[in-house]
Amino acid sequence: KAGVTQTPRYLIKTRGQQVTLSCSPISGHRSVSWYQQTPGQGLQFLFEYFSETQRNKGNFPGRFSGRQFSNSRSEMNVSTLELGDSALYLCASHRVVGTEAFFGQGTRLTVV
Amino acid sequence: AQTVTQSQPEMSVQEAETVTLSCTYDTSESNYYLFWYKQPPSRQMILVIRQEAYKQQNATENRFSVNFQKAAKSFSLKISDSQLGDTAMYFCASLNYGGSQGNLIFGKGTKLSVKP
Repeated sequence: KAGVTQTPRYLIKTRGQQVTLSCSPISGHRSVSWYQQTPGQGLQFLFEYFSETQRNKGNFPGRFSGRQFSNSRSEMNVSTLELGDSALYLCASHRVVGTEAFFGQGTRLTVV
Repeated sequence: AQTVTQSQPEMSVQEAETVTLSCTYDTSESNYYLFWYKQPPSRQMILVIRQEAYKQQNATENRFSVNFQKAAKSFSLKISDSQLGDTAMYFCASLNYGGSQGNLIFGKGTKLSVKP
């Protein structure tokens, strides 16, 4: 069974640009959640999707958005990038909402 | 609000010895999971062990075991016969079971170094 796939693995963007990150969950899993990891703030919850609907959202500005497709794949978008958005973005796959998380390898975003 | 606290930012242990990582949590929910995740330098977050709150028996996975004290809201991880490959950041996390909100709440992590 394939694991959680996140693309791309590494990304360098300039301030003001926008970026889209992708996550394919484990086959059969219907829920995807996203986390931002930084040295200062640790692991912070961004949002959670189930059956193409956002079920829960963390305390992030509206520049952070996401969506889930009918095949459970998810994307997150960050617009008007700021230096502080530099982080490791982790996607987690859940069988359904409220079950254990299996993580991808993450996307390392650097904003310059 | 749920919180998870790991009071040991860094720890070190000699290879083959035993080490215990501490975690306390606070939740008003009655049904929840607790987890320990390992994040090695590769940054892949790996599930080490999980505990359902309704189970009194402590979970065990090979060299990894937990001491779950529900009343004290304590959830420590014991690593026996430590190996060099155990060197990593370890995160304690809680998750409401089957609720409408399925996000993990993480502690700040403990950096474990296993020395030869």
